[in-house]
Amino acid sequence: DQQVKQNSPSLSVQEGRISILNCDYTNSMFDYFLWYKKYPAEGPTFLISISSIKDKNEDGRFTVFLNKSAKHLSLHIVPSQPGDSAVYFCAASARVGAQKLVFGQGTRLTINP
Amino acid sequence: NAGVTQTPKFRVLKTGQSMTLLCAQDMNHEYMYWYRQDPGMGLRLIHYSVGEGTTAKGEVPDGYNVSRLKKQNFLLGLESAAPSQTSVYFCASIDSWGSPEAFFGQGTRLTVV
Repeated sequence: DQQVKQNSPSLSVQEGRISILNCDYTNSMFDYFLWYKKYPAEGPTFLISISSIKDKNEDGRFTVFLNKSAKHLSLHIVPSQPGDSAVYFCAASARVGAQKLVFGQGTRLTINP
Repeated sequence: NAGVTQTPKFRVLKTGQSMTLLCAQDMNHEYMYWYRQDPGMGLRLIHYSVGEGTTAKGEVPDGYNVSRLKKQNFLLGLESAAPSQTSVYFCASIDSWGSPEAFFGQGTRLTVV
């Protein structure tokens, strides 16, 4: 049972345009959501997060939107840059107990010049 | 500041051999985790620890054992390696008193032949 799903394995976007990555979850106990970026042969690095008490969090070119009623979150990157080409993982956590992160399958983002 | 360090970075094992992956963190984090990453599967939790001397099973624990004898170290053992354990393994840690933004090591690529 996949509790966190990223239904797009890959996404290709032109440099300077907006990249939108999507993520859906099923567990209502999740109350914290994160996006990680991963380059080949490296570990995932934290990008941006959002608590369930908010519906938007912005950090520079990156914005995460949360729609709790739809159990959906999205990551917007504006403007997209070649260095943004990577695999992006959505993750969710219930902030009680061990705070285990549950990850989606990942979306490979390619920014074309 | 080294963060989370994994050793080794690469390893090839024969079926039935054993090995131990070492994870060390220097951030004084209470929580530590072992994940495996497989194509199309995202990161799946193998085992985790919420403190020195404690361990617990994650989503895919079979075939693995762990130990947390010291707060800064989390060891993942394979007693009898199988080809199905060919994967990239990531260790992560979280500060239990802060936001659940996990810090990851650079990964260990394990091939079982």
